[in-house]
Amino acid sequence: EVQLVESGGGLVKPGGSLRLSCAASGFTFSSYSMNWVRQAPGKGLEWVSSISSSSSYIYYADSVKGRFTISRDNAKNSLYLQMNSLRAEDTAVYYCAREGPTVNDAFDIWGQGTMVTVSS
Amino acid sequence: DIQMTQSPSSLSASVGDRVTITCRASQGIRNYLAWYQQKPGKVPKLLIYAASTLQSGVPSRFSGSGSGTDFTLTISSLQPEDVATYYCQKYNSAPFTFGPGTKVDI
Repeated sequence: EVQLVESGGGLVKPGGSLRLSCAASGFTFSSYSMNWVRQAPGKGLEWVSSISSSSSYIYYADSVKGRFTISRDNAKNSLYLQMNSLRAEDTAVYYCAREGPTVNDAFDIWGQGTMVTVSS
Repeated sequence: DIQMTQSPSSLSASVGDRVTITCRASQGIRNYLAWYQQKPGKVPKLLIYAASTLQSGVPSRFSGSGSGTDFTLTISSLQPEDVATYYCQKYNSAPFTFGPGTKVDI
């Protein structure tokens, strides 16, 4: 079964750091670009960051640029999001999502999400 | 950056009604447009990609059309299980922006 499982969410104080992980299974992880998408409580979807299959191409939303770092370990079938200098507005459910098999493709597989709460 | 808008922001329709949601990109994105369905408390699900291609397993009452800047998602006969928020997304290049969503109720 194709599956993405996020972990690492929790409660953190403003200015703090957190590292999210996404474990992939059921497909050849190293062949797919991956993404992080977040959803603040009661709000819509916001794309956060993208990383290509070999980590050659990395992109960030302006709202997280300079604070968040996306990475992956293809040997471990894992995707990561290092989040630093966290703000209250970063509070959200964070989903990892797989891009489809072609270049520039829609997000066809999503994890169940992990909640990040930034509060003092 | 290209902005994505959707209309309406919400709608209420009856079972069996034909429902149309519009998505507009501020610049042309060819057909690099996806539609997602998110039911309350659930994970987003890909419905349509390449503006009009139905994802495997999605009921045929869903359809998509459009190219360039204007796109539509149509539900030909609304069912109770279609209650959800629907998002469009551009994916021609980063940032892979989502529209604000359209909430569909019965």
